[in-house]
Amino acid sequence: NAGVTQTPKFRVLKTGQSMTLLCAQDMNHEYMYWYRQDPGMGLRLIHYSVGEGTTAKGEVPDGYNVSRLKKQNFLLGLESAAPSQTSVYFCASMGPTGKNYGYTFGSGTRLTVV
Amino acid sequence: AQSVAQPEDQVNVAEGNPLTVKCTYSVSGNPYLFWYVQYPNRGLQFLLKYITGDNLVKGSYGFEAEFNKSQTSFHLKKPSALVSDSALYFCAVSRGTDKLIFGTGTRLQVFP
Repeated sequence: NAGVTQTPKFRVLKTGQSMTLLCAQDMNHEYMYWYRQDPGMGLRLIHYSVGEGTTAKGEVPDGYNVSRLKKQNFLLGLESAAPSQTSVYFCASMGPTGKNYGYTFGSGTRLTVV
Repeated sequence: AQSVAQPEDQVNVAEGNPLTVKCTYSVSGNPYLFWYVQYPNRGLQFLLKYITGDNLVKGSYGFEAEFNKSQTSFHLKKPSALVSDSALYFCAVSRGTDKLIFGTGTRLQVFP
């Protein structure tokens, strides 16, 4: 089925460990986004990309890095995980200008840092 | 800067009654407004959007929203609530291809 796929779905990390979250979309969308969702705070934008090879910072970029080497993939990295990064992470993509404008979301990655 | 306010953390309504989930926004220029719904342990699902045109927008599952430019609001409504409508609802705003800014969410609880 067409859509946005996130892996893994769940992960527990120890403080200081690193990991990469993968987001893949098969809709040929230009724009891709990483958000984190925390209780009472809604969704906050971490990083985003407006096309292959581009990345930009969002509202809460500290402690995260991203890469968009291929158009269909958007990777979110945590170099040294901290308990404050315990959250649910959502990836989203958006199609070309003049089309839907809305996002298609993945099902999320629940990350716990202990 | 763009921002969205959802003033109610939770809205409770009896099944069969009308429901309203409130949203106000702040954006320079013309707003692109969205409502998304999130069921437990799921991603966000698109409900409806306002880009231009008729101020009353109809979306999925019988929901609708009214764009009010003078009050900078985009409230979500449904004439008759169902227990299955219970979920977390997010309002969001953008300026077209610019990134979406989300509100903090409103939990809708529909009681039998």
